[in-house]
Amino acid sequence: EVQLVESGGGLVQPGRSLRLSCAASGFTFDDYAMHWVRQAPGKGLEWVSGISWNSGSTGYADSVKGRFTISRDNAKNSLYLQMNSLRAEDTALYYCAKQAGAAPNWFDPWGQGTLVTVSS
Amino acid sequence: DIQMTQSPSSVSASVGDRVTITCQASQGISSWLAWYQQKPGKAPKLLIYAASSLQSGVPSRFSGSGSGTDFTLTISSLQPEDFATYYCQQANSFPLTFGGGTKVEIK
Repeated sequence: EVQLVESGGGLVQPGRSLRLSCAASGFTFDDYAMHWVRQAPGKGLEWVSGISWNSGSTGYADSVKGRFTISRDNAKNSLYLQMNSLRAEDTALYYCAKQAGAAPNWFDPWGQGTLVTVSS
Repeated sequence: DIQMTQSPSSVSASVGDRVTITCQASQGISSWLAWYQQKPGKAPKLLIYAASSLQSGVPSRFSGSGSGTDFTLTISSLQPEDFATYYCQQANSFPLTFGGGTKVEIK
């Protein structure tokens, strides 16, 4: 069974940094692209970032470009999101999601999320 | 960036009703479209990919259609477990983008 478990969320002050992790199991991690998607409280879904299976290609939402960095460690079956210069509008539940099937940019399944709250 | 516009934003329906949700892309995305279902307090679940392909394990009452800029998700006979919020997502190009969501509520 595929499992994605996010961690690293919490309360952080504006301007500070946080690193999210996603531990993957139940599939061959280095065969698949991975993504981060967030959802602000009571709002819709926003794709944040994605990374190819070999880290050769990455992409970012305009809202986080230059502040967030996605990475992965295939030896550890882990995905990461380094978030710098955090803003109040980054407050959200952050989901880790696996590439669905053969296409890299659909998501299935998703983890249960880790909550990031940016507030002074 | 490609903007995804969903309508309606909410719909009230009864069990057994046929429900249709539309999604429009701001530019052509061929068939690079997915639909997700999200229930309160849960992670989203992939229903449809490539505009019309049913994800494994998803009931056949769900179907998708369209290509280019206009897409539709149809639930042929609404079941109690289908009351949820539905999102479309374009997978054509970065940045990947979602529609604003459609909440399907009990009438």
